[in-house]
Amino acid sequence: RKEVEQDPGPFNVPEGATVAFNCTYSNSASQSFFWYRQDCRKEPKLLMSVYSSGNEDGRFTAQLNRASQYISLLIRDSKLSDSATYLCVVSLTAGSNYKLTFGKGTLLTVNP
Amino acid sequence: EPEVTQTPSHQVTQMGQEVILRCVPISNHLYFYWYRQILGQKVEFLVSFYNNEISEKSEIFDDQFSVERPDGSNFTLKIRSTKLEDSAMYFCASSPGPGGYTFGSGTRLTVV
Repeated sequence: RKEVEQDPGPFNVPEGATVAFNCTYSNSASQSFFWYRQDCRKEPKLLMSVYSSGNEDGRFTAQLNRASQYISLLIRDSKLSDSATYLCVVSLTAGSNYKLTFGKGTLLTVNP
Repeated sequence: EPEVTQTPSHQVTQMGQEVILRCVPISNHLYFYWYRQILGQKVEFLVSFYNNEISEKSEIFDDQFSVERPDGSNFTLKIRSTKLEDSAMYFCASSPGPGGYTFGSGTRLTVV
């Protein structure tokens, strides 16, 4: 089983649409959870951390279900600038190591 | 905003040659990392470095790879004898502690 598994995509949506990304992780001891976005041939950039209570940042809402080891990201009212690859990322903190484990990502294209 | 700086942005090298990828982490960060991303694949952890020593390395990080923090500001990744399959984007990152990662913009390594 892959450590972090995401919807393969790609997703093509019109501007203004709501789009949901799903992710599961295999290691139940994972402690920190994130959504990153990655533009073509650029570095990953943190979009938001994901907390057990769920959290929202403007048009973006993230949810975490530790029991089912499931993470989601919802983008409302999508913009052309949201076009990117969305990466689900988990971290298993152990001592002085804060290694990130990435999913393969889901490509989103928002069309005019 | 503080940045992680990587040089060069693109490196072309012949198979069997040694390459050194350079990174300047954010000055007050204590944890340093190298990740790589082969074209079309996920971002993969290579190595983490804390307190002047490797804290964890992945299976990818074999004897061909080494890291160094020679002068308190630079953090380098050396590949001793490059192979075609080493062609990838190499991302340096630093963090002050858990989370708070900042990635550099990457070095594209092409082995011919």
